[in-house]
Amino acid sequence: DAGVIQSPRHEVTEMGQEVTLRCKPISGHDYLFWYRQTMMRGLELLIYFNNNVPIDDSGMPEDRFSAKMPNASFSTLKIQPSEPRDSAVYFCASSWNTGELFFGEGSRLTVL
Amino acid sequence: GENVEQHPSTLSVQEGDSAVIKCTYSDSASNYFPWYKQELGKGPQLIIDIRSNVGEKKDQRIAVTLNKTAKHFSLHITETQPEDSAVYFCAAMNTGFQKLVFGTGTRLLVSP
Repeated sequence: DAGVIQSPRHEVTEMGQEVTLRCKPISGHDYLFWYRQTMMRGLELLIYFNNNVPIDDSGMPEDRFSAKMPNASFSTLKIQPSEPRDSAVYFCASSWNTGELFFGEGSRLTVL
Repeated sequence: GENVEQHPSTLSVQEGDSAVIKCTYSDSASNYFPWYKQELGKGPQLIIDIRSNVGEKKDQRIAVTLNKTAKHFSLHITETQPEDSAVYFCAAMNTGFQKLVFGTGTRLLVSP
């Protein structure tokens, strides 16, 4: 398996634009997680899914953030409208029900 | 909810020395404690984990200890090598909820 695949790897956009980050989990994994990493706040869990169903979205910072998982092999994290404080590295991770998370290489977002 | 504190934030050692990173957690229901290594430009990767039914686990040069009474756990790296240089994260989780909470990270620098 190729591991967790995220796209784009880098995104530079202007304030107010919509941003969509994409994730393909490892085949067979039934959990999918979205994390945000910043220098100030470290690794924060935004939302996670089990069998494509959102279980806990308490980490989603505002209504500007939304995430979907339409099927077992694809998830999106959308920010609309984007703001400079959303600049961060966004990680997707997947797992079986064992605890070990497998992370993608991240999407570095810069909002100007 | 769970809160994980990690110390030190940076650690510089000479090649061949040992390195110790310490974490504390707040939720007594947490029962799974992994350690992740993050290299520059990559996602975090699991290096070792421990569950609450054991007090110590070792894998070659890496060991983790857990004190459930004090809610402390530590990572020990012996005979450090330059390739050990990275950011290390501890984390804690109640496996009933699959919600992994990370510490703030330790930047380890091993000098030749």
